[in-house]
Amino acid sequence: SQQGEEDPQALSIQEGENATMNCSYKTSINNLQWYRQNSGRGLVHLILIRSNEREKHSGRLRVTLDTSKKSSSLLITASRAADTASYFCATDLTGGFKTIFGAGTRLFVKA
Amino acid sequence: NAGVTQTPKFQVLKTGQSMTLQCAQDMNHEYMSWYRQDPGMGLRLIHYSVGAGITDQGEVPNGYNVSRSTTEDFPLRLLSAAPSQTSVYFCASRNRAGLGEQYFGPGTRLTVT
Repeated sequence: SQQGEEDPQALSIQEGENATMNCSYKTSINNLQWYRQNSGRGLVHLILIRSNEREKHSGRLRVTLDTSKKSSSLLITASRAADTASYFCATDLTGGFKTIFGAGTRLFVKA
Repeated sequence: NAGVTQTPKFQVLKTGQSMTLQCAQDMNHEYMSWYRQDPGMGLRLIHYSVGAGITDQGEVPNGYNVSRSTTEDFPLRLLSAAPSQTSVYFCASRNRAGLGEQYFGPGTRLTVT
């Protein structure tokens, strides 16, 4: 089974609203990353948070990590129609070289 | 820099045929990996490599072979294509395993009939 599970599976909001996506994972990790994928295209890296970090910001993105709960959240503030995409969390497993992706959250931002 | 390139972009195979998906990167990255993406399943790791001459299996390696003879290239071979291998295949590279972001290629859309 996949390591990461995103919640919700799909999210529809109005432009200007905030969007929050959650990711849960099962095993110990070194890092957690968030990626974005526009329809039919390759993934683009958004942000990486290390296991000893609790929060990280990049522009309109805010990521939190709670290793005790094995969960992370991605907040996109003041969303834009151009933020419409699928968002994936990916975990770098401890002690190995594997990066495991979740199933993703499909975000639709209405103009 | 071209980043990560993949060829072909589209491919249709008949069951039982074999083929190689090409992947190349020009960033001198040690780590390269192959994923497949099926609808609603996210990306699943097929094989990865931590450097030239070193490869290992991911989550779903059956039916696929890889080799890494150079730092730049990491081809994925389908030995005997099956309809269950219909998917979009992404190659990615990273400076080192677990370090920094992964850079993804544009993907190869494969259909096996």
